[in-house]
Amino acid sequence: AQTVTQSQPEMSVQEAETVTLSCTYDTSENNYYLFWYKQPPSRQMILVIRQEAYKQQNATENRFSVNFQKAAKSFSLKISDSQLGDTAMYFCAFFKQSYQLIWGAGTKLIIKP
Amino acid sequence: NAGVTQTPKFRVLKTGQSMTLLCAQDMNHEYMYWYRQDPGMGLRLIHYSVGEGTTAKGEVPDGYNVSRLKKQNFLLGLESAAPSQTSVYFCASSQPIDTISNQPQHFGDGTRLSIL
Repeated sequence: AQTVTQSQPEMSVQEAETVTLSCTYDTSENNYYLFWYKQPPSRQMILVIRQEAYKQQNATENRFSVNFQKAAKSFSLKISDSQLGDTAMYFCAFFKQSYQLIWGAGTKLIIKP
Repeated sequence: NAGVTQTPKFRVLKTGQSMTLLCAQDMNHEYMYWYRQDPGMGLRLIHYSVGEGTTAKGEVPDGYNVSRLKKQNFLLGLESAAPSQTSVYFCASSQPIDTISNQPQHFGDGTRLSIL
């Protein structure tokens, strides 16, 4: 069975610093997708970034980038120049070749002014 | 586009009461899902549907029932609410994997349910 592990329950950094959130997963599949979602206090689930497993190039979206290590089954999220609005829960998710998302337990990120 | 709409947004029930959560999507998506979110546990799939008239069990289906009589609606029912069902419930919808967009699933804003 696929599993997703986020080993950091909570992290805090100063505004403008860079922070990296960890995610590891376990699967025997070769083709899949990985995602990072952000959930601010408003409870909305907001897609931050996605990575296709067949792509070697790491995905980047403005200040957000990933370090995808397929052999190690690792998918970390780097937030550069962190902002107060980045304060949220961050969830890593694995998308099977069907229709189900498998979720990590989440990391609570606090950006301090 | 409203996207995915959940009704109600907040509800308090007494143990043993029943209620139905409604999820409506206007994107003509085939797949719909119900999740629950508890502190420290991420999202767990309760039930899902791959098309009108079909439903299937997810990871934590006990104590819940669902129905998908219309493609755009997915109902989650609690027949006899228990305090362990206190949670935030999310509905989501998606297209099949072949037509995946940037968003694997589109989420509603959640329903906070408290069982006393």
